[in-house]
Amino acid sequence: EAGVAQSPRYKIIEKRQSVAFWCNPISGHATLYWYQQILGQGPKLLIQFQNNGVVDDSQLPKDRFSAERLKGVDSTLKIQPAKLEDSAVYLCASSSDRGWYEQYFGPGTRLTVT
Amino acid sequence: GQNIDQPTEMTATEGAIVQINCTYQTSGFNGLFWYQQHAGEAPTFLSYNVLDGLEEKGRFSSFLSRSKGYSYLLLKELQMKDSASYLCAALNAGNNRKLIWGLGTSLAVNP
Repeated sequence: EAGVAQSPRYKIIEKRQSVAFWCNPISGHATLYWYQQILGQGPKLLIQFQNNGVVDDSQLPKDRFSAERLKGVDSTLKIQPAKLEDSAVYLCASSSDRGWYEQYFGPGTRLTVT
Repeated sequence: GQNIDQPTEMTATEGAIVQINCTYQTSGFNGLFWYQQHAGEAPTFLSYNVLDGLEEKGRFSSFLSRSKGYSYLLLKELQMKDSASYLCAALNAGNNRKLIWGLGTSLAVNP
């Protein structure tokens, strides 16, 4: 079974530029999560999708962050414009609707904003 | 409110046993996850406890007490490769099945 795929793995941009991250969850997983993880901290949930609907985006800075999951499969997360404090690893995870709801994580995208 | 507490850092010696504690306060609690995260990598699943008691899986065991809001991860026969961050996360099984994450415990295993 293929895991969660993310791209790019690394991105360096200047502040005020825009950036987009892509995620392909495990096949058949209805729930998709985007997390922001700052070095030395636990993951912070940005947005959670159930199929193509948003379940929780309470911690998403909506003035600069946006995310979509149009067909209930792939998802993109965008930041526009980026700030220095957005430097972090952006993790995508997915989970099945059955069983333990264990979340499977992708390798992450390390974003550096200069 | 919802809160997860775990120690920031721990140090142990190769071959020893270490216990990483986690206390939680969350509404709609439905289970406790432990994840391992090596530096620069994504978190990987270690264990999930929904009932009180100890779950053993090889060198790793996890314990849960729902009445006390307490869990621990026990690592036996420590190896150098066990140096990592260990994340405790409580599952809220409400409408969105959200995980409430701790900040992680950074474990250093020394020779």
